[in-house]
Amino acid sequence: EDKVVQSPLSLVVHEGDTVTLNCSYEVTNFRSLLWYKQEKKAPTFLFMLTSSGIEKKSGRLSSILDKKELFSILNITATQTGDSAVYLCAVEAATSYDKVIFGPGTSLSVIP
Amino acid sequence: EAQVTQNPRYLITVTGKKLTVTCSQNMNHEYMSWYRQDPGLGLRQIYYSMNVEVTDKGDVPEGYKVSRKEKRNFPLILESPSPNQTSLYFCASSRQSGNTIYFGEGSWLTVV
Repeated sequence: EDKVVQSPLSLVVHEGDTVTLNCSYEVTNFRSLLWYKQEKKAPTFLFMLTSSGIEKKSGRLSSILDKKELFSILNITATQTGDSAVYLCAVEAATSYDKVIFGPGTSLSVIP
Repeated sequence: EAQVTQNPRYLITVTGKKLTVTCSQNMNHEYMSWYRQDPGLGLRQIYYSMNVEVTDKGDVPEGYKVSRKEKRNFPLILESPSPNQTSLYFCASSRQSGNTIYFGEGSWLTVV
């Protein structure tokens, strides 16, 4: 059965800390891995990863994929209170309809 | 502005009273889907549609129906809602596989 696992499920850090969020997956016919940020509304897209070892960066956020070990990490440096959100990892499987499987999310709280 | 619009955003209803949650996208996307989000379970796909008149079940389709008569609209129908369908629902669309998924703002549904 296809599944996506995230850890930790929740995390509390202080402003300025660096955090690493983990996502591992077991998916048949992997196509891509996606990271989303969800505040108290709809998820917003962060990254799409398809190739191993190529880091994607956007400001203080970065992510990398390891297709051999079947995991990805999302790093956030110099965290700010505005980074508080649920971070969702999802994997797209190349089935007949390109199914997207979401993990449970990591709830990040950044306190001043 | 590219967007996915859901209505209603908030609804409290009673067991057994049929309801429809509408979803419309203005990006001419082929692929649309419905998810429900529950604590600790992440986003789970209810139904998806790859194009007009093409729909299929996702992971948790029981108790739901959908239709895709027009490309832009993908309503979710609860014929006889039950309390276990109390959840946060998201409609999503994308052009095709491997493309960014756009989410609606979410619909909070409570069935009492």
